[in-house]
Amino acid sequence: AQSVTQLDSHVSVSEGTPVLLRCNYSSSYSPSLFWYVQHPNKGLQLLLKYTSAATLVKGINGFEAEFKKSETSFHLTKPSAHMSDAAEYFCVVSDPTNAGKSTFGDGTTLTVKP
Amino acid sequence: NAGVTQTPKFQVLKTGQSMTLQCAQDMNHEYMSWYRQDPGMGLRLIHYSVGAGITDQGEVPNGYNVSRSTTEDFPLRLLSAAPSQTSVYFCASSTGHSNQPQHFGDGTRLSIL
Repeated sequence: AQSVTQLDSHVSVSEGTPVLLRCNYSSSYSPSLFWYVQHPNKGLQLLLKYTSAATLVKGINGFEAEFKKSETSFHLTKPSAHMSDAAEYFCVVSDPTNAGKSTFGDGTTLTVKP
Repeated sequence: NAGVTQTPKFQVLKTGQSMTLQCAQDMNHEYMSWYRQDPGMGLRLIHYSVGAGITDQGEVPNGYNVSRSTTEDFPLRLLSAAPSQTSVYFCASSTGHSNQPQHFGDGTRLSIL
């Protein structure tokens, strides 16, 4: 069994300040973890993925995430927010025993203020 | 590359009508899936397929049917539309390996009156 909890449904930051989107997971196996971004009226786009290699993962658009097994966390960060980062973000865990069947968090809406 | 293509982009139905949401991918992916997205609830898996001729139920399968006659296509059928099925529907495909991401279509926005 697996589950994902995104700890904040909404996060608001000012442009140029750091972004932190929090994700905790539960999995009976060594998980693969993903962050996706969804801009309004669009599909989901992959930001980054963790697949048991380096625990600090770098993604597109300056985002990165750190896998912490002891804390069962996979938080997404960015040093400096840009207006174009305003979107919804999903943390996803993938089941290695079931053809990669994925479980999604409920999403975090990021607002960036000028 | 077209990736994952969903049609139509928008649809309005009356209660009781039936329709098929189309999904096609050109990446030769074995794994395809349908999700619905409702406010504050993330994406919930409706049905998925691990290859042609093989389908299985996800978290919220009631009211929906699927088939997978080819690797490329994975249509979703609403047999008798209900207002509770008003949602945004996403189709996704992947290689099926857990360490590979899914590729998503742009979604179908469906309203049931």
